[in-house]
This record gives sequence, C-alpha cells and structure tokens, in this order.
Amino acid sequence: GAVVSQHPSRVICKSGTSVKIECRSLDFQATTMFWYRQFPKQSLMLMATSNEGSKATYEQGVEKDKFLINHASLTLSTLTVTSAHPEDSSFYICSASFGLRGRTEAFFGQGTRLTVV
Amino acid sequence: AQSVAQPEDQVNVAEGNPLTVKCTYSVSGNPYLFWYVQYPNRGLQFLLKYITGDNLVKGSYGFEAEFNKSQTSFHLKKPSALVSDSALYFCAVREEASGTYKYIFGTGTRLKVLA
Repeated sequence: GAVVSQHPSRVICKSGTSVKIECRSLDFQATTMFWYRQFPKQSLMLMATSNEGSKATYEQGVEKDKFLINHASLTLSTLTVTSAHPEDSSFYICSASFGLRGRTEAFFGQGTRLTVV
Repeated sequence: AQSVAQPEDQVNVAEGNPLTVKCTYSVSGNPYLFWYVQYPNRGLQFLLKYITGDNLVKGSYGFEAEFNKSQTSFHLKKPSALVSDSALYFCAVREEASGTYKYIFGTGTRLKVLA
C-alpha cells in the first residue's frame, strides 16, 4: 500500500508555456503533499508543502506565482510551472504522507523530468 | 532546526562485502529518522525508519540501520552487498513544528557495488 503516482514522467515544453504535473495518492488519503526539485547529482530541495483544502506553504526563495500548487482533494495535488524557461528544467518529485497522525514516512512519486526548450 | 548530514558523497564496496552508508543527525527532541533509496530517473523508495524502540531497525531489501543516540548517528547497513544495491541513498529527518511538518534530506550518498 501507500502508492503515489506522478504524471507525466517526462515532458518537453517550449519556453513561455505552462506545464502541469499531477501527483496522486492511489490507495490512501494524503493529508499533506510535498513538492521537491532535484538538480543533477544533488539532493532534494523542498519547494512547498500543501495541505488539502488550504494554500501551499512555500519555502524561502521559491516563487509562488511561478510554481502554482493546488491540493484540491486528499488524493490529488498539482504543480503548475507557469511561463516556463530553460532554467526551470529539472527533475520534480512529489511525495505524500498521512499527516501528523498515522504512518510517519512519506511516499514518493516517480518524478517528472521537465525540459524547457 | 533539524538536519542530517551524509559525510560521504560516494561509497564503493565489493559485491558480497558488508556495506555502511553513514548519516548523522542534529535534532531537538526525539528524532524521526528515515532512509530512502533512489534509482536513476526515479522517485525515492522508502527503506526503513526509526521512531522509537529498538535501536536496530530492519527494513526492505535486507537493509538495516542502527540508531545511536550518543553518537547522533543513523548509519545504514547491509551484511552482503549486491550489484543491484548500487543507487543513491538519502537519510532524512522529519521536522515538526506548530502542527506542521516536513522532511529534511541529506545530500545523498552514491553507493557503487562492484562485481
């Protein structure tokens, strides 16, 4: 159990367009979801934390108007990269967890490789 | 703030030999510690966690980790390495504050198991 599905796994888009990435918890209700960005050969950088039905909490330095996060239900969160530019090219990973009560570990999606050309 | 450190960027070990991937932590209060593994172009897979109880924690794929409070360490171990264990390993700590929480990851250690 505790499967997280992320879609798409790979996307190429033109500079200036927007891209939406979906993160779904398939067999549990994810009270909290996290979005990370990972640069080559580097660790995960937390971008934002989202709780179902409320606004996301962004980490310092992350532009909330550029990286729009919506957590409309307990099983779905989306990350939209607006007006993407080549510097936004990266590996984006979502994770989902049960909240403060319940299982303490987070579960990760497969990641999305975004390339902006 | 909570943090974890992985002092080694890369660990090489021969197949069949025991392996250790190091992690030290800095937390206030009781730590929630985790190990994850990442294969190329994939998300992270949960291996094991320490919340409370026995200091030796057993996880997936034959991995285990030892929680050492005096040394503030949570090293990942496996008695006999496999080539298929070659991957990127992350130690993490869960930080809780004011009813919210997040996971803080180490910088990762690349494990190479040589045939």
